[in-house]
Amino acid sequence: GENVEQHPSTLSVQEGDSAVIKCTYSDSASNYFPWYKQELGKRPQLIIDIRSNVGEKKDQRIAVTLNKTAKHFSLHITETQPEDSAVYFCAATLGGDTGRRALTFGSGTRLQVQP
Amino acid sequence: GAVVSQHPSWVICKSGTSVKIECRSLDFQATTMFWYRQFPKQSLMLMATSNEGSKATYEQGVEKDKFLINHASLTLSTLTVTSAHPEDSSFYICSAGRRNTEAFFGQGTRLTVV
Repeated sequence: GENVEQHPSTLSVQEGDSAVIKCTYSDSASNYFPWYKQELGKRPQLIIDIRSNVGEKKDQRIAVTLNKTAKHFSLHITETQPEDSAVYFCAATLGGDTGRRALTFGSGTRLQVQP
Repeated sequence: GAVVSQHPSWVICKSGTSVKIECRSLDFQATTMFWYRQFPKQSLMLMATSNEGSKATYEQGVEKDKFLINHASLTLSTLTVTSAHPEDSSFYICSAGRRNTEAFFGQGTRLTVV
């Protein structure tokens, strides 16, 4: 099955700096890669996703890049703010019908943005 | 977006008792729902796939007789933790989605077994 590895496990940045979180996946058939933000005791919130036919996607301060050849994808947050502090998870799934596929999650990154 | 509602949001039960958690898709029909478990400071791990009208598919290492899943309608899946023990204490969360959309998560259920 799919295996997703995520680094780093913790990341501390100063407010205004950029943060980068990296994930690798094992199954070359995976074609949908969402990123989630989870606050303590809450459900994961989708912040951005990318499909395998796209190399990069951006939404305001958040961007995701995908390298299918190397089987890795990264989350980039620019101009970080204290409210960005949370745990971030990458995930992967394979096949079409993405809303009805189970996700394989990375181990999570605890991001701390220092004011 | 689509809404998935999970109930209860938290529950405390005595060791040896059973607890039922409900997951509802409020504005769409879900032939498939997923149940995940998240221990403190860990990731979400898929426990089982709930299929409407048929048996659930369990991931390796998940006891199907302990975690009973029933998906009796297109909008409701239930997870029953039977004979709960303290090691079953965790955050249980369901998800569902439409075709080619994102996955929508329920609010999660914090289970504490004392």
